[in-house]
Amino acid sequence: EPEVTQTPSHQVTQMGQEVILRCVPISNHLYFYWYRQILGQKVEFLVSFYNNEISEKSEIFDDQFSVERPDGSNFTLKIRSTKLEDSAMYFCASSLANEQFFGPGTRLTVL
Amino acid sequence: GQSLEQPSEVTAVEGAIVQINCTYQTSGFYGLSWYQQHDGGAPTFLSYNALDGLEETGRFSSFLSRSDSYGYLLLQELQMKDSASYFCAVREGAAGNKLTFGGGTRVLVKP
Repeated sequence: EPEVTQTPSHQVTQMGQEVILRCVPISNHLYFYWYRQILGQKVEFLVSFYNNEISEKSEIFDDQFSVERPDGSNFTLKIRSTKLEDSAMYFCASSLANEQFFGPGTRLTVL
Repeated sequence: GQSLEQPSEVTAVEGAIVQINCTYQTSGFYGLSWYQQHDGGAPTFLSYNALDGLEETGRFSSFLSRSDSYGYLLLQELQMKDSASYFCAVREGAAGNKLTFGGGTRVLVKP
């Protein structure tokens, strides 16, 4: 069964450093998303992406964040100058229609 | 503002039936999804309701009343492996639109 994959599974970084989180969505899907989940809290929407451009972004997705689909398979989230409060689980998701499939997540720890 | 309310925790014994209610207030509504999340894992899609009524998928069923802005997830014949968090999520627009998640209900199944 096709699945969304994400790398790395765990990323530890120093405050102020840049990180890139990588995702490979399901191959025939058209819509791509990033969500995050701070430990013990609900899943929060960051950004959605369609047809090679951002279709929607949340208030959380400020200038320190960017997304890119550099080729036909990868979908990346870049966080510039990480802050302590960026520590969270970051999930990539993709969809064709109603059902959004989530990847296993990247746990980001900012020290 | 947007809000989805669901109980924080439910405890039940193996073989029992559990109903998790979700009430929502969102600016738009296309459908209500339910996701299961085990500790440290990714949200896994369970069901999607766009129209009023009951959708049954094996031991799990989901119900929606659009007029009442209300839905529920019914877990039947509970098994130990059903111990997890369950999130309701509203999709406010057409395919490709973000999901807005509730706070999650932690279900603990006891022998």
